Amino acid sequence: GENVEQHPSTLSVQEGDSAVIKCTYSDSASNYFPWYKQELGKGPQLIIDIRSNVGEKKDQRIAVTLNKTAKHFSLHITETQPEDSAVYFCAAKGFAGNKLTFGGGTRVLVKP
Amino acid sequence: EPEVTQTPSHQVTQMGQEVILRCVPISNHLYFYWYRQILGQKVEFLVSFYNNEISEKSEIFDDQFSVERPDGSNFTLKIRSTKLEDSAMYFCASSELGQNQPQHFGDGTRLSIL
Repeated sequence: GENVEQHPSTLSVQEGDSAVIKCTYSDSASNYFPWYKQELGKGPQLIIDIRSNVGEKKDQRIAVTLNKTAKHFSLHITETQPEDSAVYFCAAKGFAGNKLTFGGGTRVLVKP
Repeated sequence: EPEVTQTPSHQVTQMGQEVILRCVPISNHLYFYWYRQILGQKVEFLVSFYNNEISEKSEIFDDQFSVERPDGSNFTLKIRSTKLEDSAMYFCASSELGQNQPQHFGDGTRLSIL
């Protein structure tokens, strides 16, 4: 089955700097890649997603890139703010069905 | 903005007891899901549900687990005879019909088995 690996597990950045989180997946048939942000005591909140027919997608300070050949995708957060501090999860969905396979999460701390 | 709601937020149950976790998906969504996260581990898929039947389930979702949509708004996960290893955060999610639709998650139920 699909396996998703996420790095780093923790990331500390200075406010205003950029943060990059990387994920790799094993199933070349996977075609949908969402990113979730989870704040303390809350459920995962979808922040951006990308489909396999697109290489890059941007939404304000957040962007995601996808390299299907290498089977990896990355989340980029620019001009980080303290409210970006949270745990971020990547996930991948296979060609059939709707099951999401999650990475292990990255705890991001933005220092003021 | 519409959201997925889950109750209770925390459930404490004795081992061997039955537990029912409840979810109200987003009203126009047709696909429903349960995931769980054991402390310190990845979020894991349990089951997906569409048109009143299970469409996909994982190896975790054995005969002790069942799901139901008892009415037009609720979606439940039942664990028949809980084990210590069932202690986890259980998340409900829902999505619209269609390929690669975003899944929206509730805030979870923390299940503690004693």
